Amino acid sequence: AQSVTQPDIHITVSEGASLELRCNYSYGATPYLFWYVQSPGQGLQLLLKYFSGDTLVQGIKGFEAEFKRSQSSFNLRKPSVHWSDAAEYFCAVVGSNFGNEKLTFGTGTRLTIIP
Amino acid sequence: DAGITQSPRHKVTETGTPVTLRCHQTENHRYMYWYRQDPGHGLRLIHYSYGVKDTDKGEVSDGYSVSRSKTEDFLLTLESATSSQTSVYFCAISESSQGAQYFGPGTRLTVT
Repeated sequence: AQSVTQPDIHITVSEGASLELRCNYSYGATPYLFWYVQSPGQGLQLLLKYFSGDTLVQGIKGFEAEFKRSQSSFNLRKPSVHWSDAAEYFCAVVGSNFGNEKLTFGTGTRLTIIP
Repeated sequence: DAGITQSPRHKVTETGTPVTLRCHQTENHRYMYWYRQDPGHGLRLIHYSYGVKDTDKGEVSDGYSVSRSKTEDFLLTLESATSSQTSVYFCAISESSQGAQYFGPGTRLTVT
């Protein structure tokens, strides 16, 4: 079964600074990977997804993520954060082999933006 | 945003009472899911459905049951609510079992 780890529980960055949120996964083959964002009191919104092809994936709100097979990672990046990016971010993984695979979420990284 | 609604959005109930949460979609997606979200645990799958009347258990299904009589509706029932079921419950939908899931706004349930 697959698993996903988000090593950073909480990250604080200044507005305008660059951002990188880490995500590491465990799966025997290439998985399908997702990043979601959750603002306080809201549901989860899909930022981007990776199924195959180009390992650099562009998403909404100016976010991108890079799939690195050799490092089993799918880190989320943004070149310049805005105060509205303050939220919790979840990485998720599901197996690519056809079968009874279920989406597995990391425990999240809370992002705080300081002026 | 995907057309997903959840009702009620907030509920307070007493231990031992039955509770039903409703998820309604307008996207005609085949798959529907119920998750609970708790601090330190992220999202955990309770039950899911892969079609009308087709459901299966997730990792934390004890104390919960589900039903899906129509494509658009997926009900989650707590037969006898316990304080450990105080949580935020999210419904999600997807077109395929491995596709992106789209989430509803959530229901905050408090069991006193």
